[in-house]
Amino acid sequence: NAGVMQNPRHLVRRRGQEARLRCSPMKGHSHVYWYRQLPEEGLKFMVYLQKENIIDESGMPKERFSAEFPKEGPSILRIQQVVRGDSAAYFCASSPGLAVQETQYFGPGTRLLVL
Amino acid sequence: GIQVEQSPPDLILQEGANSTLRCNFSDSVNNLQWFHQNPWGQLINLFYIPSGTKQNGRLSATTVATERYSLLYISSSQTTDSGVYFCAVEGSGTYKYIFGTGTRLKVLA
Repeated sequence: NAGVMQNPRHLVRRRGQEARLRCSPMKGHSHVYWYRQLPEEGLKFMVYLQKENIIDESGMPKERFSAEFPKEGPSILRIQQVVRGDSAAYFCASSPGLAVQETQYFGPGTRLLVL
Repeated sequence: GIQVEQSPPDLILQEGANSTLRCNFSDSVNNLQWFHQNPWGQLINLFYIPSGTKQNGRLSATTVATERYSLLYISSSQTTDSGVYFCAVEGSGTYKYIFGTGTRLKVLA
């Protein structure tokens, strides 16, 4: 059973470009979470999604950031018009969504560098 | 929201030494996980431990939910244990993990 997959693993963008980060949850998992880790800091929650629904986006910046988890395919975190402050590691996690107490399984992360 | 504090912030050990890392949290939690982030940035799940004690090889963890803390024990440390150890908690009624600021461990050969 493959773990959580994220791609690309590294992404370089120039200021003003768009970044699209993909996350494929573990097989059978219907809950996806995105976290951001700024340099030398801990991870911070961004958004929690279930298939075709955003459940909690309280950690998402109000502008330029969006997330989706379509019925088919991976979850996408999209950052429009990137700025240098968006440089960070973005981690995706998934859980089965069957119980209140569940382990979240983390992917390897996408490291975004904005030049 | 829940506050998560980890101590110590930094730790340097000689190979073979034992250590205890602490995680304090300010409110009741549904879930608690310990992670190791290795020097390459990979996040490795160590324990899912909302309460009780678990052991896995040289590592063990104990969570005392009623007193709002968790401990991670590393015995006979090895250089490959180096990295940052994070505690993450999920508050009651939420689905998001709140991460502590981590303990940065360096094990010297």
